[in-house]
Amino acid sequence: DVKVTQSSRYLVKRTGEKVFLECVQDMDHENMFWYRQDPGLGLRLIYFSYDVKMKEKGDIPEGYSVSREKKERFSLILESASTNQTSMYLCASSLLGLAVGWTDTQYFGPGTRLTVL
Amino acid sequence: GQQLNQSPQSMFIQEGEDVSMNCTSSSIFNTWLWYKQDPGEGPVLLIALYKAGELTSNGRLTAQFGITRKDSFLNISASIPSDVGIYFCAFTSNTGNQFYFGTGTSLTVIP
Repeated sequence: DVKVTQSSRYLVKRTGEKVFLECVQDMDHENMFWYRQDPGLGLRLIYFSYDVKMKEKGDIPEGYSVSREKKERFSLILESASTNQTSMYLCASSLLGLAVGWTDTQYFGPGTRLTVL
Repeated sequence: GQQLNQSPQSMFIQEGEDVSMNCTSSSIFNTWLWYKQDPGEGPVLLIALYKAGELTSNGRLTAQFGITRKDSFLNISASIPSDVGIYFCAFTSNTGNQFYFGTGTSLTVIP
């Protein structure tokens, strides 16, 4: 079974802090994704990566950055956390690379509920 | 951005009842996916649909990819308490990095 793990289930930070959310997948997947989930808005894509050191902006990248130094690990960084970044953050991975399209299914981690005070 | 409408937004049903939810999009897509998210967990894939008109079952779940390729429905028969959760539709195209989720249908099953 594919396993996607996230470093924390719950996190509380203060406004202005730098926040790192870590995600690791153990199935050698090409693609990794970061979403945020808010009530009534569903899942919104922040960033994704289709290869090591590659990254692409999703629908709502403002206020976030990402890092993918190794294939299995994809980090989401909040340079200066703000209260409007309080949310559930979900990481996902999928097997196929960009070259073969995006029809492959995504496997999700359990999520990190971040609260920014 | 893409218009993806998922309805209903929430449902409260009695145990044993059947459930139906659907998604419609403003564009044609190649793949429809249905996910379920249990409380406090990440979404888990239930059913994937790859061809227009395709009807696929997974236990008590049945999903169909609309002929127009702009819609999909998910049915759950004889609901049970563990069906509680949020159900998301998602679709992808093969023209690029287009992968969108619906806003979700929250299902509550009353024993």
